[in-house]
Amino acid sequence: KAGVTQTPRYLIKTRGQQVTLSCSPISGHRSVSWYQQTPGQGLQFLFEYFSETQRNKGNFPGRFSGRQFSNSRSEMNVSTLELGDSALYLCASSGTQNTGELFFGEGSRLTVL
Amino acid sequence: GENVEQHPSTLSVQEGDSAVIKCTYSDSASNYFPWYKQELGKRPQLIIDIRSNVGEKKDQRIAVTLNKTAKHFSLHITETQPEDSAVYFCAAYASGGSYIPTFGRGTSLIVHP
Repeated sequence: KAGVTQTPRYLIKTRGQQVTLSCSPISGHRSVSWYQQTPGQGLQFLFEYFSETQRNKGNFPGRFSGRQFSNSRSEMNVSTLELGDSALYLCASSGTQNTGELFFGEGSRLTVL
Repeated sequence: GENVEQHPSTLSVQEGDSAVIKCTYSDSASNYFPWYKQELGKRPQLIIDIRSNVGEKKDQRIAVTLNKTAKHFSLHITETQPEDSAVYFCAAYASGGSYIPTFGRGTSLIVHP
């Protein structure tokens, strides 16, 4: 069974630009969640999608948005990039809507210059 | 919202020693507590979890204990090995339909051969 796939793995942007990250969950998983990982801050929850609906949202500004498609693939977008957005963005899929094991992708490392 | 404190931030032990990482949470409604291990450059992976109706759970050299009254849970690793070196994250999930995990900031465990 293929794992969670994230693209691109690395990218460099400049302030003010926007970026779109993609996540393909494990086949059959309908829940996809996104996290921002920075040194010293751990994993911070961005949002979670289930069956194309955003079910939960973390405490991030509106510049961070996402969506989920009918095949459960998800994208997240960050507009008007700031230096502080530099981070590893992880997505995770889960087989159940409720609490359960999260299967993480390898992440997309974003550097904002 | 939920707040999870994780200690220590860094833990250095000799091979064969035991390691204990402790997390405290603030929301008494939290009912699911997973632990994830993230090796350098790799994705986080679930190593053990516990639900609020259980006080302790073991899996070979790893155990997790939960004290609901004190609102803390701990990861215990016995007979540590160099391959246990990684960053460990605890998380707490609140009940009530909000499936948002709150992660601790992580503990960097270093096992010296």
